[in-house]
Amino acid sequence: DGGITQSPKYLFRKEGQNVTLSCEQNLNHDAMYWYRQDPGQGLRLIYYSQIVNDFQKGDIAEGYSVSREKKESFPLTVTSAQKNPTAFYLCASSMASEQFFGPGTRLTVL
Amino acid sequence: GDSVTQMEGPVTLSEEAFLTINCTYTATGYPSLFWYVQYPGEGLQLLLKATKADDKGSNKGFEATYRKETTSFHLEKGSVQVSDSAVYFCALRDWGTGANNLFFGTGTRLTVIP
Repeated sequence: DGGITQSPKYLFRKEGQNVTLSCEQNLNHDAMYWYRQDPGQGLRLIYYSQIVNDFQKGDIAEGYSVSREKKESFPLTVTSAQKNPTAFYLCASSMASEQFFGPGTRLTVL
Repeated sequence: GDSVTQMEGPVTLSEEAFLTINCTYTATGYPSLFWYVQYPGEGLQLLLKATKADDKGSNKGFEATYRKETTSFHLEKGSVQVSDSAVYFCALRDWGTGANNLFFGTGTRLTVIP
């Protein structure tokens, strides 16, 4: 089945640690995205990539980093510089106008 | 800039009631409009979309009409079910600006009680 997978579903991190969230898609989509979702707020764009080896900052990129070495993969690293990283993180991909979302990773900083 | 404003929730309805969730937008180019639904603990799923003025998107009994004159894309359903309980997001993509991402509203939580 085609789709987007994110792992892990739940992730716990100690303050000061970097952590990497995985996002993989087998839809052959060129573009991929990372969003952050906080309670009572809409989705906010962290980073996006339109093609392999290229990516752009979104609205809230500070404290995050990404790579796009393969078309299928777009991992997100939450660094210790991100002051409030506890949130629900959603990955998406698109070919045309419609975006397809993964199931999300809930990150909690202890 | 581009933005989406949608009705704040939460919204609680009885089964078989009529649903309206308001959504208005601001766009500088030529937007496509979307409604996404998020069930508890899951990612977002596309519910319906409309790509130009006066288009009506529909799916699973939900409908929304792209109204350029009122810059609106309100979501409606004639008879809600308990299984419709979820968070609903209105979103736009503005083709005229060259932006490749979606702008989302803050979401409206719907709870349907038996």
